[in-house]
Amino acid sequence: AQSVTQLDSQVPVFEEAPVELRCNYSSSVSVYLFWYVQYPNQGLQLLLKYLSGSTLVKGINGFEAEFNKSQTSFHLRKPSVHISDTAEYFCAVNSGYSTLTFGKGTMLLVSP
Amino acid sequence: ETGVTQSPTHLIKTRGQQVTLRCSSQSGHNTVSWYQQALGQGPQFIFQYYREEENGRGNFPPRFSGLQFPNYSSELNVNALELDDSALYLCASSLALVGTSGNEQFFGPGTRLTVL
Repeated sequence: AQSVTQLDSQVPVFEEAPVELRCNYSSSVSVYLFWYVQYPNQGLQLLLKYLSGSTLVKGINGFEAEFNKSQTSFHLRKPSVHISDTAEYFCAVNSGYSTLTFGKGTMLLVSP
Repeated sequence: ETGVTQSPTHLIKTRGQQVTLRCSSQSGHNTVSWYQQALGQGPQFIFQYYREEENGRGNFPPRFSGLQFPNYSSELNVNALELDDSALYLCASSLALVGTSGNEQFFGPGTRLTVL
């Protein structure tokens, strides 16, 4: 079975500061990794994904993530956040049949 | 290109009732997955349909059932509703190609179900 651990339930940060949202996964096979964002009362939007190749993945809205196989991590980063980045962020791993196993989410709270 | 749509947006039911949620896939997609997202939790996989057949199921009881139609739209049915079934139900569609994995799933806005 595969699992995803998001180490922080909430991350408060000031506007224009850098941020890192942490994600660790467990799997006995090759994985595909995803980060999704969920704004209040909305569905999930894909930020970025790692399938293969370069371990540094760039996504939308200035986000990027680095796949680290030895540490089984896929941390999400942004060098300078905006108020509009306030949302819930979910890390997910592909579990076969193209289904996803999600972490519990990290709430990013950006304040002025 | 139309995205994934779900209906209704909100729904209130009482314990023991039955409910049907609907999902229209993104154009060209042949696979639909359903997820349950309880308050403060990540989405949990319920089941997936590929070309009208169930193609995988999570840890949910048989009272959760589904259908996929020839136009790849889908329904989620829940019988004998319980209070713990209160959640946001998300539908996601994707294009599954033979021999590939990691296909991106596109999510709908969800249906908020409240069981009283």
